[in-house]
Amino acid sequence: DAKTTQPTSMDCAEGRAANLPCNHSTISGNEYVYWYRQIHSQGPQYIIHGLKNNETNEMASLIITEDRKSSTLILPHATLRDTAVYYCIVRVAYGNKLVFGAGTILRVKS
Amino acid sequence: GAVVSQHPSRVICKSGTSVKIECRSLDFQATTMFWYRQFPKQSLMLMATSNEGSKATYEQGVEKDKFLINHASLTLSTLTVTSAHPEDSSFYICSALGGPNNQPQHFGDGTRLSIL
Repeated sequence: DAKTTQPTSMDCAEGRAANLPCNHSTISGNEYVYWYRQIHSQGPQYIIHGLKNNETNEMASLIITEDRKSSTLILPHATLRDTAVYYCIVRVAYGNKLVFGAGTILRVKS
Repeated sequence: GAVVSQHPSRVICKSGTSVKIECRSLDFQATTMFWYRQFPKQSLMLMATSNEGSKATYEQGVEKDKFLINHASLTLSTLTVTSAHPEDSSFYICSALGGPNNQPQHFGDGTRLSIL
């Protein structure tokens, strides 16, 4: 599975959009981009995933560049409860293990 | 949504004890389950992949005789830490995969293991 690169940490004001970038320049054509987050002392929570089209659900939006070498997770209106470590993971669809990198620590501040 | 239940949430026991952790998929059948370990201020590290009815596949450096995995049904996998020592103290997390192709893995809430 392709490797991903994320900033170590980011701050965001409460109520503002949080934009978390992820680089995956070696992604293959059959690899999906998955986003998870982990709130302190809990298991990771699935957020969203996509292949090449932009995706949106009740939690977030995922914007994937046309060349698929990078993506951005958008939390439209960040709240204090969104403070967590966000992981961007690339893997082949279905069945393959998820390999976690260091992720991005997002701090939402009031 | 898919729910994965992990039990117990916290264990404190003496060195030399064996500890069993259960991972259950509550509303779907999980053909594959994964076990992770996470040390403080570090990311999750995959330990093994557990397939229903077959032997688990362990990641490099993970001792299979130390961390026994059983996946006897489509809704239950267990991890047993045998003869646990203080260095085995960690946060153990399972995840489950099931359903149609391309569905995401769902994670349990983890088990905090402390060996005295």
